[in-house]
Order: sequence, then structure tokens, then C-alpha cells
Amino acid sequence: AQTVTQSQPEMSVQEAETVTLSCTYDTSESDYYLFWYKQPPSRQMILVIRQEAYKQQNATENRFSVNFQKAAKSFSLKISDSQLGDAAMYFCAYRSALGGGADGLTFGKGTHLIIQP
Amino acid sequence: GAGVSQTPSNKVTEKGKYVELRCDPISGHTALYWYRQSLGQGPEFLIYFQGTGAADDSGLPNDRFFAVRPEGSVSTLKIQRTERGDSAVYLCASSSDRIEQFFGPGTRLTVL
Repeated sequence: AQTVTQSQPEMSVQEAETVTLSCTYDTSESDYYLFWYKQPPSRQMILVIRQEAYKQQNATENRFSVNFQKAAKSFSLKISDSQLGDAAMYFCAYRSALGGGADGLTFGKGTHLIIQP
Repeated sequence: GAGVSQTPSNKVTEKGKYVELRCDPISGHTALYWYRQSLGQGPEFLIYFQGTGAADDSGLPNDRFFAVRPEGSVSTLKIQRTERGDSAVYLCASSSDRIEQFFGPGTRLTVL
């Protein structure tokens, strides 16, 4: 079974600064997807960014980028120019690409991101 | 269009009672997922529907939990003989490509 580990329960960053959230995972599969989701107090999970394991290029979405290290099974999220609206819980998630119904996401425990004004 | 909706947003029940939680997916999304999020934890996968059938129910914790999706759209998660340990936020998600999942706001279930 796959596992996802987020070792930082909480991170704090000054507004406009850059912060990196860590995520490692364990799998024996070679093809999979990785995601970062944001969960504000409203509870609704919002997809921030996704990465396909077969792609070597790191995904980027505006101020959000990832550092995907497949051999190390590491998938960190970098948020540049942090804004007050970025404050939320951030979850790293894994999805197998094997098919056969194994579509459910495996989540880490989350990192609480605090933005200091 | 409208996003995933879940009703009720909050449900309080007594130990031993039966509850139903409803999920309305994004129109046209054939894949639907249920997750359970306990306090301070990430969501845990419960069940996945492709159309009307449960393609993967490996995450259901025991036979008190059951879910249906009779017409391939709305889904209902049913919990019998609720226990205090069932208290959690129940999240529903839908997808058109089985990769990107769009989540609803969840139902917070409290079992007294």
C-alpha cells in the first residue's frame, strides 16, 4: 500500500516571502500522479497543482511550483510571493495510474500554513 | 457550472441511529468518490463509483457503511448503527477524467 508523509505539521511565512512544504511518499509503482490540495476553513479541498510521474519537468501554476524527485520519492510545493489568502491546510496526495479501479487518493496528514502580515 | 454539493452540511445524531449523507456531483462527471476526514487528519478514501457501480469499495471500514448511486449521478452514503468513532467530515468528490477530483464542502457528522 502507498503511504504519504508530510513531516511539517505547521509552517509560518511572512507575506510576500517564499515557503516550501515537504512531502515524501512510498510506492512500488512506477506510474502514478501526485497532487497538492489546499483546504481553507470552509473545508472544501481545492486542487493547487498536479504532477504526472512520467513527466520529468516540474509542474508550475502561477506562484505555485513543485520539486519532484522521483528517485527520492519526494514532492515538495513551493509557494512564491505568499499572500494572506494562501493560509490554509495543504495536503499532498498520491493516486495510482494502474487503473483497475484504484482511483482513490491517498493523502498525507497535512501542513497548516500560516501567513504573517 | 455548479460544483459538487453535499447535504446536509452538518448532521448531529445519537449513537445507534441511522444516517444518510447525500452528494450531488458536477453534471456529467461519471466518477464519484467518498472520503472520510477525521479531526487533524487527511481524508481517507472510502469508495469509488464509476457510473452506477462501485468500482472500488476497499476503504469502507465495516459493513455498517454502504453507498449507492442508482442513476449514476447523485450518491448517498449510508451509515447504520452509528458509533461515536464515526464522527468526522465526510467529503465527496467527482471527476470527468478519473484523475482530477473536484471536492464538495463536506458533511460534518457528529455522533453523540
